[in-house]
Amino acid sequence: GENVEQHPSTLSVQEGDSAVIKCTYSDSASNYFPWYKQELGKRPQLIIDIRSNVGEKKDQRIAVTLNKTAKHFSLHITETQPEDSAVYFCAASWGSQGNLIFGKGTKLSVKP
Amino acid sequence: DAEITQSPRHKITETGRQVTLACHQTWNHNNMFWYRQDLGHGLRLIHYSYGVQDTNKGEVSDGYSVSRSNTEDLPLTLESAASSQTSVYFCASSLDRGMNTEAFFGQGTRLTVV
Repeated sequence: GENVEQHPSTLSVQEGDSAVIKCTYSDSASNYFPWYKQELGKRPQLIIDIRSNVGEKKDQRIAVTLNKTAKHFSLHITETQPEDSAVYFCAASWGSQGNLIFGKGTKLSVKP
Repeated sequence: DAEITQSPRHKITETGRQVTLACHQTWNHNNMFWYRQDLGHGLRLIHYSYGVQDTNKGEVSDGYSVSRSNTEDLPLTLESAASSQTSVYFCASSLDRGMNTEAFFGQGTRLTVV
């Protein structure tokens, strides 16, 4: 089955700096890679996703890149703000029906 | 609006008791999933279902069971609750493969086994 590794487990940045979170996956058949943000006490919510036929996707201050050959993908947040503080999870779609396997999460802290 | 809801939001139970957590979605999604979230482990898949009468084991299925008698509901049962099953449980649903496979999560159920 699929295995997803996520680094770092914690990340602290100053407001306005960029943050990068990296994930690797094991199953070359995986074709969908979403990123979820989970604020304290809340449910995980999708912030951006990328499919295997695309190398990069941007949405305002958030971008995701995918390297299929190396089997890794990354989340980039620019101009970070305190409200970006949360736990971020990467995931990879595994199996014939889009079954998601998650990384262990990265706790991002943005200091004012 | 379509949504996915879990109940109860909080539950305290004793070791050895049977417990059922409910999950109900109104999106008419075929795929439904149960995850548990523990510090340092992220979200781990317990069971999943691709449709009515279909259920499959995930990576941490021991001690849990599910049933899918209709599209909307996937209840999770702990046959004999153990302290190791103290966790936050999230239900999720998604559309079929080939379409948007974004998973939508419920609000979570915090279960404490004493």
